[in-house]
Amino acid sequence: AQSVTQPDIHITVSEGASLELRCNYSYGATPYLFWYVQSPGQGLQLLLKYFSGDTLVQGIKGFEAEFKRSQSSFNLRKPSVHWSDAAEYFCAVANTNAGKSTFGDGTTLTVKP
Amino acid sequence: DAGVIQSPRHEVTEMGQEVTLRCKPISGHNSLFWYRQTMMRGLELLIYFNNNVPIDDSGMPEDRFSAKMPNASFSTLKIQPSEPRDSAVYFCASTSGSSYNSPLHFGNGTRLTVT
Repeated sequence: AQSVTQPDIHITVSEGASLELRCNYSYGATPYLFWYVQSPGQGLQLLLKYFSGDTLVQGIKGFEAEFKRSQSSFNLRKPSVHWSDAAEYFCAVANTNAGKSTFGDGTTLTVKP
Repeated sequence: DAGVIQSPRHEVTEMGQEVTLRCKPISGHNSLFWYRQTMMRGLELLIYFNNNVPIDDSGMPEDRFSAKMPNASFSTLKIQPSEPRDSAVYFCASTSGSSYNSPLHFGNGTRLTVT
């Protein structure tokens, strides 16, 4: 069975600082991996996805993520965080059907001024 | 495109009442998913449809929950009778199931409170 672990429940960073959110997955085959962001009162919005090819993927809002098969990780990064990035972030893994994704428990990001 | 549209945004009801949540997927998407989000259990897939047909309802918690998709542009999730433990945010999402490269598009959710 597929599973996703986001080790950090809550992260606080200063505005302008770099950010890395961790995600580890468990899946028997090559996974399809996603990062979503959820702002308060909103649904989840896709930031980026990985299916194959280049292991460093670029997403919206200046985010990127790197797939490392050897570490079963798909960490999300941003070089300089903006106050508007404060939200909850979810990592997800899926087979061929993105809808049957397994989601991590989420990481809440707080941005200090 | 207006995105996935859910209604109502908020629902407060008393225990024992019937609750119906509604969803309009993105036009052209042929897969629709109902999720439930709570603090305790995170995001859980309840049921999903492909071409209006329920494919997997193994996530539906019990018989009080039912979902229908009478056509490609409308789905409902019904809880009858509702209980306080059903309080959660319910999300509908759609995708073009014909392409593995198509991600989920979520609605803004319905926050359900059962008192």
